[in-house]
Amino acid sequence: EAQVTQNPRYLITVTGKKLTVTCSQNMNHEYMSWYRQDPGLGLRQIYYSMNVEVTDKGDVPEGYKVSRKEKRNFPLILESPSPNQTSLYFCASSLYGDSTSNQPQHFGDGTRLSIL
Amino acid sequence: QKEVEQNSGPLSVPEGAIASLNCTYSDRGSQSFFWYRQYSGKSPELIMFIYSNGDKEDGRFTAQLNKASQYVSLLIRDSQPSDSATYLCAVNRETSYDKVIFGPGTSLSVIP
Repeated sequence: EAQVTQNPRYLITVTGKKLTVTCSQNMNHEYMSWYRQDPGLGLRQIYYSMNVEVTDKGDVPEGYKVSRKEKRNFPLILESPSPNQTSLYFCASSLYGDSTSNQPQHFGDGTRLSIL
Repeated sequence: QKEVEQNSGPLSVPEGAIASLNCTYSDRGSQSFFWYRQYSGKSPELIMFIYSNGDKEDGRFTAQLNKASQYVSLLIRDSQPSDSATYLCAVNRETSYDKVIFGPGTSLSVIP
């Protein structure tokens, strides 16, 4: 089954304790992206990757890191989490990232992070 | 001005009616436009995409694009209670086509 898998689905942790949210897709997609969703603000892009070893900042990259060593995996790293990073996070992928292909994004089920 | 704007709602329509969801965007050079549906507690899923002026129909859904007015809409005919969800409008940026900007979403409630 074609899917985007995020882990963990829920996490409660404390300020400053490094954490990683994993994202994996089995569709051989080139483009992957991380979003956070907050009430009233919608989905905001954190980082995206056009292909292996190619990553770029989205609109709200502060406090986050990513890597793309393999095509299928795109982990999101919070080196020193803070309470303002409490949010619902989505990983997404699409076949290509440019507008000419009009490829839709496929989303994972989401990760709800609470930073105390 | 926000890049992508939508009425937050909630928009309530009776079952069987037409639901009309609107979205305006600020980047005049945007080329691709998407509508996603998101049920409460779930991830967004694509409903429609459109990139040419005019209408695009898929079953009960019709997307309408007017680039001159920087306006894209989604019509849902014969609305069903299962259509109750938040609808997200997404637009690519002219300056960076690989960045897609989402609107805040419109909450739709279809009343039986």
